[in-house]
Amino acid sequence: DVKVTQSSRYLVKRTGEKVFLECVQDMDHENMFWYRQDPGLGLRLIYFSYDVKMKEKGDIPEGYSVSREKKERFSLILESASTNQTSMYLCASSFGTGSRDTQYFGPGTRLTVL
Amino acid sequence: DQQVKQNSPSLSVQEGRISILNCDYTNSMFDYFLWYKKYPAEGPTFLISISSIKDKNEDGRFTVFLNKSAKHLSLHIVPSQPGDSAVYFCAASATNTNAGKSTFGDGTTLTVKP
Repeated sequence: DVKVTQSSRYLVKRTGEKVFLECVQDMDHENMFWYRQDPGLGLRLIYFSYDVKMKEKGDIPEGYSVSREKKERFSLILESASTNQTSMYLCASSFGTGSRDTQYFGPGTRLTVL
Repeated sequence: DQQVKQNSPSLSVQEGRISILNCDYTNSMFDYFLWYKKYPAEGPTFLISISSIKDKNEDGRFTVFLNKSAKHLSLHIVPSQPGDSAVYFCAASATNTNAGKSTFGDGTTLTVKP
């Protein structure tokens, strides 16, 4: 069974703080993704990575950065958290480079920025 | 420009009846389509998929239909059960996309009443 874990289920931070969200997968997947989920807006892709140290911007990268130093770990960084970054953050991974690859999701981190 | 749209934010059906969830897409390069199901406080999980070379794929109570000319797909659940109550996301991907990146719709919240 593929397991994707996220470092926190709930997180509360203050405006201007630097925030790290960590994601780890245990199935040697090539690809990893960060999404945010907001009511009425579905899942929006922030960043993704198809290899160690490789990253690509998704649809809404502004205000975020990522790091992938090891294959199993993909970190999302909010350099200076703002209230409009309050959201549910979901990490996912998939096996290869094919379009047919299913994504496996973590349980999500509910981030509140005060 | 939203490339994958689920126009019904919510759907309510009676237990035992059919649930039909709809999804429209605009990008003609999409050639693989997936449905994910999401329960509250959990990450989405893969449900069923269909390739563009097919017009129907069935897995137990779940059937996905694809109408390429209309750029429309639908998920049928028969019979619907209370445990099917969840948010359903439609996703689409294109061959040769980096990391098999998928584009998600906004989701439809299905409520199955006992």
